[in-house]
Amino acid sequence: GNSVTQMEGPVTLSEEAFLTINCTYTATGYPSLFWYVQYPGEGLQLLLKATKADDKGSNKGFEATYRKETTSFHLEKGSVQVSDSAVYFCALRMTTDSWGKLQFGAGTQVVVTP
Amino acid sequence: DAGITQSPRYKITETGRQVTLMCHQTWSHSYMFWYRQDLGHGLRLIYYSAAADITDKGEVPDGYVVSRSKTENFPLTLESATRSQTSVYFCASSDRGEGLHEQFFGPGTRLTVL
Repeated sequence: GNSVTQMEGPVTLSEEAFLTINCTYTATGYPSLFWYVQYPGEGLQLLLKATKADDKGSNKGFEATYRKETTSFHLEKGSVQVSDSAVYFCALRMTTDSWGKLQFGAGTQVVVTP
Repeated sequence: DAGITQSPRYKITETGRQVTLMCHQTWSHSYMFWYRQDLGHGLRLIYYSAAADITDKGEVPDGYVVSRSKTENFPLTLESATRSQTSVYFCASSDRGEGLHEQFFGPGTRLTVL
C-alpha cells in the first residue's frame, strides 16, 4: 500500500536556523504531495502542495520540491522563527482517488527557541 | 460561526459507553472526513463521505459508526468505547475530491476513555 515516512522529532533549533524535515513516500502511481502544519491546540492547516515531479510548493518562507527520482518531498525553511514551532505532517493523495483521501506521515515536531 | 467546528472539544468517558462526536461545516462542502491522531501514527482515516447518505470506511473504521443525513453535519459515534479509542479526533471537509482541493480541518476533539 501507499505510505509516507517522515523523520522523527522533536527537532529543536534556534531562531534563524535552517530547517529541513525529510519526507519520503511509497506509492503505486503518481501522488500529489502536501505539507500540513499543526500549531499547538489547533487543527491542521495546509502549508504547501505539489502535484507533479519537479514542482516546488512554497508558502510563508517554506519550500518543498517534488522529487520523483528519490520519491521525496523534503520541507525547508531558511530562517525559522519561534512562531514556526509546530508539528509538520507530510501527506500524499493519489490522483486517481476521486474521494481525495489523504495519507499522512507520523508528523515531526519542531521546537524553535529564542 | 463560519468554517468547520467540532464538539465537544474535550470528552472523558468510560469503557463501554456510547459517545458521539459532532462535526459541522458551513461551506456546503461535499466531502467530509474523520481522522484520529495518535503519537507515532500521525493521522489515520476512520470514515469519509462524498455527500449526504454516501459514506465509506477508511483505514481504521472498527468500533466507529458514521451518518450523514445533512451535508453540513458528519457525526462520529463510538458505539461502545474502549481505551484504545483514547485519541484526538479531527474532522475535515473539502469541496471536491479530485485535484488539489484543500481539506480544511476542525480544531479537534480530545477523547479520553477510562
